[in-house]
Amino acid sequence: DAGVIQSPRHEVTEMGQEVTLRCKPISGHNSLFWYRQTMMRGLELLIYFNNNVPIDDSGMPEDRFSAKMPNASFSTLKIQPSEPRDSAVYFCASSLAAGDGYTFGSGTRLTVV
Amino acid sequence: DAKTTQPTSMDCAEGRAANLPCNHSTISGNEYVYWYRQIHSQGPQYIIHGLKNNETNEMASLIITEDRKSSTLILPHATLRDTAVYYCIVSLYNFNKFYFGSGTKLNVKP
Repeated sequence: DAGVIQSPRHEVTEMGQEVTLRCKPISGHNSLFWYRQTMMRGLELLIYFNNNVPIDDSGMPEDRFSAKMPNASFSTLKIQPSEPRDSAVYFCASSLAAGDGYTFGSGTRLTVV
Repeated sequence: DAKTTQPTSMDCAEGRAANLPCNHSTISGNEYVYWYRQIHSQGPQYIIHGLKNNETNEMASLIITEDRKSSTLILPHATLRDTAVYYCIVSLYNFNKFYFGSGTKLNVKP
């Protein structure tokens, strides 16, 4: 298994631009999570899906952030418009069932200038 | 919010056992203890979890005290590749919202 695949690995964009981060979970896993990591705030859970349905998005910082999971093998996290304070590493993770350990992807390092 | 307390950093000699403590004095009866680690520039990696009994897998052992207010993750023979931040997390088994605190930075030294 290739694990959780995230793209791109690095993204540099100008303030105000739209950014889309992508995630392919492990086949068969039915839970998917988006986390953000910064030095100041550590790892923060943004949103998670169960069977492609968003269950809890209370961690999404504001309306500029949105996430979708159109099918079991793909999810996106979109920021529109992006701001410098969105600069962080964004991780996607998946799990087979609630309570199982998560498998994280390698992350997308986003820099907004 | 994180419900655990861990030391900020620890050192361990290569080849020795690394014992990482975690306090979770407010843990409830049906909450599990999970351990993850994050090697620099990588995504966190699941290590082990347990409820009451001690657990062991190919990576580590988890020792949970009888009152469940604290636990210890043991890496039996630490290598340089085990240098990482180790996170102790308390969560309901089906809650699916893991809060990662600051963790313990383990430095394995030659």
